[in-house]
Amino acid sequence: DIQLTQSPSFLSASVGDRVTITCRASQGISSYLAWYQQKPGKAPKLLIYAASTLQSGVPSRFSGSGSGTEFTLTISSLQPEDFATYYCQQLNSYLALTFGGGTKVEIK
Amino acid sequence: QVTLRESGPALVKPTQTLTLTCTFSGFSLSTSGMCVSWIRQPPGKALEWLALIHWDDDKDYSTSLKTRLTISKDTSKNQVVLTMTNMDPVDTATYYCARLNRGIAAAGFDSWGQGTLVTVSS
Repeated sequence: DIQLTQSPSFLSASVGDRVTITCRASQGISSYLAWYQQKPGKAPKLLIYAASTLQSGVPSRFSGSGSGTEFTLTISSLQPEDFATYYCQQLNSYLALTFGGGTKVEIK
Repeated sequence: QVTLRESGPALVKPTQTLTLTCTFSGFSLSTSGMCVSWIRQPPGKALEWLALIHWDDDKDYSTSLKTRLTISKDTSKNQVVLTMTNMDPVDTATYYCARLNRGIAAAGFDSWGQGTLVTVSS
């Protein structure tokens, strides 16, 4: 199975900061990567798919980039409602749609 | 509007079989490209993908859990059922169902249920 490693696993940031989260795949997955946001007690929400396509309704301060084995999620200016846990997921192989370990973004 | 809702027991005993139902609306699982998946999340831990059923009844399972899982669909009822055998306390988690549209390249799970917490305890 393809493994996804997110870094950092935890980050502390302030409102207005630019935040970058990295997701590395154990083998190439082209652009078959999605990013989700999850708040406590809630289901995950799709933010980005195909590595860089913004899901409808998601604010433009979120962006994704990368292909192959290295991907990034960037929040250009962190807002109070963005404090949450973020997960990447690979969709290169429907045999095993693995998730990364998550990155928790907390208020500094 | 796409909605999904999970239902099933909140408590199961070790060694029992868990049966969860995902009832959805706003799309048809007979439409080409449509899929429904099950994902779980133990308390305080990461998401774990479990199984996926495709519109054509193709099925995919987590490598580590495939011997314990069965996914099926009833298109007429707009339901997807997951069974997991030989439940153990480590299977305690919130179980989610979610939709995937393979008609969009590299699309993610664009709609999720609210999740149902299953506790495994004697």
